[in-house]
Amino acid sequence: GAGVSQSPSNKVTEKGKDVELRCDPISGHTALYWYRQSLGQGLEFLIYFQGNSAPDKSGLPSDRFSAERTGGSVSTLTIQRTQQEDSAVYLCASSLRPEGSYEQYFGPGTRLTVT
Amino acid sequence: AQSVSQHNHHVILSEAASLELGCNYSYGGTVNLFWYVQYPGQHLQLLLKYFSGDPLVKGIKGFEAEFIKSKFSFNLRKPSVQWSDTAEYFCAVGGSQGNLIFGKGTKLSVKP
Repeated sequence: GAGVSQSPSNKVTEKGKDVELRCDPISGHTALYWYRQSLGQGLEFLIYFQGNSAPDKSGLPSDRFSAERTGGSVSTLTIQRTQQEDSAVYLCASSLRPEGSYEQYFGPGTRLTVT
Repeated sequence: AQSVSQHNHHVILSEAASLELGCNYSYGGTVNLFWYVQYPGQHLQLLLKYFSGDPLVKGIKGFEAEFIKSKFSFNLRKPSVQWSDTAEYFCAVGGSQGNLIFGKGTKLSVKP
């Protein structure tokens, strides 16, 4: 079956521009997570969605970052007024249920480069 | 806040050598613990996980990990590594929302 997919795979943008990153979770998975993987910082949790509930935004690094999940499925992570420190690989993961006992399946990531 | 420490940034081994990667976590309560692997050019995959029960957990590809509560550790082991084990390994603890809190990762290079 299809895994988690993300698009685009690579994105190069100029400082100050807005970007949108997309995640298609595994069908039927109710929990969706965004992480960021950058040199020196490792993997950081950004935001979490459970079904149609309000997201847990506790990991977002600034108010330039936002995310939505439409219809409990596809999610979009938006970064406004990008900065060079936003350069990283953005990973999406989904799991059948949000409880810790359920495995998270990761997508291939979107590599964002801010010039 | 929960945190995870991985002691080795880069480990270089020859094929057939034994492997042990260290992982310590900060939280003292009930924990869910994971090891993920990222092979070159591929996405993160689950190697093994611990929730409760037998503290010695066996995962895929001959990997195992031992949960030692008194030491807040969850070290990854493999008796004999192969060149194909070259990858980056991440230890993680489950957060309160089911999110994962990762260590900074350990790169393993296996020389043929």
